[in-house]
Amino acid sequence: GEDVEQSLFLSVREGDSSVINCTYTDSSSTYLYWYKQEPGAGLQLLTYIFSNMDMKQDQRLTVLLNKKDKHLSLRIADTQTGDSAIYFCAGTFSGGYNKLIFGAGTRLAVHP
Amino acid sequence: SAVISQKPSRDICQRGTSLTIQCQVDSQVTMMFWYRQQPGQSLTLIATANQGSEATYESGFVIDKFPISRPNLTFSTLTVSNMSPEDSSIYLCSVFLPDKLNSGANVLTFGAGSRLTVL
Repeated sequence: GEDVEQSLFLSVREGDSSVINCTYTDSSSTYLYWYKQEPGAGLQLLTYIFSNMDMKQDQRLTVLLNKKDKHLSLRIADTQTGDSAIYFCAGTFSGGYNKLIFGAGTRLAVHP
Repeated sequence: SAVISQKPSRDICQRGTSLTIQCQVDSQVTMMFWYRQQPGQSLTLIATANQGSEATYESGFVIDKFPISRPNLTFSTLTVSNMSPEDSSIYLCSVFLPDKLNSGANVLTFGAGSRLTVL
């Protein structure tokens, strides 16, 4: 079946890089997404990657995709306190391109 | 860029009552999706709402509990019926919108959500 897993918590020092990891089980991925959720807020789409790509960079964000290992990561350079939030990995798989399967979310805490 | 508006943004409801959540998109879309996020949990798809046909529900969700309307290509409602405290969640509306700044690919975009607390 389709399963997306993330570590639940990450703590980093302000100014350092953060790397949030995600693994999935269904090899028939099409799109893979990263969303950010701040306390009390909805989901903000941060970035996404097509399954035929292995890297995408967007300002401070770098997404790496290893299809062989079914591993997706989000790197945030120069992490700031405003980056503190929950980050969700999600993907579309064999269940259909309309249905996103979400990971449990990684809570990123940025400390001075 | 297109905007997705949901209301109410939050509500406190009594057990046994029903609440209807509205979702308005400022562009026409074929499909609208309703997700649920229970406290401290991830998101789960409830159903897909298509204009002119019955909504398609995911396993574990039924029309009697979560009736959906889709009267036109920009609007949908989700009703949470006969609520219990277990229905306390954030309910999110989402649609695929083109990422005009980048590839133009359709990406799933969410409204701000409706936070329901059932007492």
